[in-house]
Amino acid sequence: GDSVTQMEGPVTLSEEAFLTINCTYTATGYPSLFWYVQYPGEGLQLLLKATKADDKGSNKGFEATYRKETTSFHLEKGSVQVSDSAVYFCALSRVRGTALIFGKGTTLSVSS
Amino acid sequence: NAGVTQTPKFQVLKTGQSMTLQCAQDMNHNSMYWYRQDPGMGLRLIYYSASEGTTDKGEVPNGYNVSRLNKREFSLRLESAAPSQTSVYFCASNGGPNTEAFFGQGTRLTVV
Repeated sequence: GDSVTQMEGPVTLSEEAFLTINCTYTATGYPSLFWYVQYPGEGLQLLLKATKADDKGSNKGFEATYRKETTSFHLEKGSVQVSDSAVYFCALSRVRGTALIFGKGTTLSVSS
Repeated sequence: NAGVTQTPKFQVLKTGQSMTLQCAQDMNHNSMYWYRQDPGMGLRLIYYSASEGTTDKGEVPNGYNVSRLNKREFSLRLESAAPSQTSVYFCASNGGPNTEAFFGQGTRLTVV
C-alpha cells in the first residue's frame, strides 16, 4: 500500500546551518506530496506542497522538489532559525481517495 | 475564519468510560478525518468520511466509532476507553483528492 518514509530524528542544528530532511514515498500513480509543520502544542499546518513530478514547492525559505525517478520529496532550507524548531511531517495524498498518508515525523531543534 | 474546531482540548478518562470528541469545519469541505498521534508513530488514520453520509475505516479503527452528523461536523466516539487510547487526536478536513488538509488544534486524551 501507499506509504511515506522520512528520516528519523531528532535533528539538532545550530542557527544558520543548512537543513535537509529526507522523505521517500511508495504509491501507485502520481500522488500529491506535502510537508506539514507542527509547532509545540499546536496542530499541523501546511508548509509546502507539489502536485506533479519536477514541481518545486517553497515557503518561508523551505523548498522541496517532487522527484518521481527517486520517489523522493526532501525538505531543505539554506539557513535555519531558532523559530524553525518543530516537528516536520512528509505526507502524500492518495491518487484514489482523499486521505493523507503521513510519515512518522522528524523533530528539528535549532539552537542559537 | 475558524477553520477546523475541535472540542475538548484536554480530557482525562477512567478506563471503561465513554466520551465523544467533536469536530466542526467551516470551509465547506466534503472530506473529514480523525487521526491519532503517538510518539514515534506519526499520524495514523482512525476513520474518515469522504463525503456527507459516508464513513470508512482507516488504519486503526478498533475501539472507535464515528458519525458524520452533517457536512460540517464529524464526531469520534470512544465507547469504553482503554489506556492504549491515550493519545493526541486530530480532526482534519479537505476539499477532495490531492488537496491539502486543514487540521484542528488537537485533543489530548489521557485514559487512566
